Amino acid sequence: GENVEQHPSTLSVQEGDSAVIKCTYSDSASNYFPWYKQELGKRPQLIIDIRSNVGEKKDQRIAVTLNKTAKHFSLHITETQPEDSAVYFCAPPPRYNFNKFYFGSGTKLNVKP
Amino acid sequence: GAVVSQHPSWVICKSGTSVKIECRSLDFQATTMFWYRQFPKQSLMLMATSNEGSKATYEQGVEKDKFLINHASLTLSTLTVTSAHPEDSSFYICSAPSPTNEKLFFGSGTQLSVL
Repeated sequence: GENVEQHPSTLSVQEGDSAVIKCTYSDSASNYFPWYKQELGKRPQLIIDIRSNVGEKKDQRIAVTLNKTAKHFSLHITETQPEDSAVYFCAPPPRYNFNKFYFGSGTKLNVKP
Repeated sequence: GAVVSQHPSWVICKSGTSVKIECRSLDFQATTMFWYRQFPKQSLMLMATSNEGSKATYEQGVEKDKFLINHASLTLSTLTVTSAHPEDSSFYICSAPSPTNEKLFFGSGTQLSVL
């Protein structure tokens, strides 16, 4: 099944700075790459995703880039704001493993005002 | 996007009692739903996969007799925590995959506190 690693586990930035979170996967046949954001006490929500036929996708202050050769995709947040503080998860969908969705430890982003 | 509704949002119960949590897909059918447990400052831990029309599959270490799952219809899955104990206190959250099985839609979660 898919083996996913996410780095860093924690990230602290000053408001206005940029933040980058990287997710490495193992299945070269993966073709869909989502990022979820979970604020404290709330449900995770999909914030951006990318398919394997494109290298980058932007949505206002957030972007996702994909490097298929290196098998990693990254979440980029520019001009960070305190409301960006949350835990971010990458979760490429399962292709095997009985179609179960497992989550890694995530990245806790803290944006200091 | 698709909506998954989860109730209750929070529940406080006495030790030894049972608690039922409902998860509904409101605008799509879900033959599969996933139940996760999340302790403070930790990640989402998959507990079990709920399958409409068949038995749920449980992850290793999760007691199926304690966490009863019933997937009664294509839009409803329930998790019952039986004989709850303080160590069962946690945030429980359900999710349903998109029809293409690519993304997950989550319920709002249930904060369970067992006294």
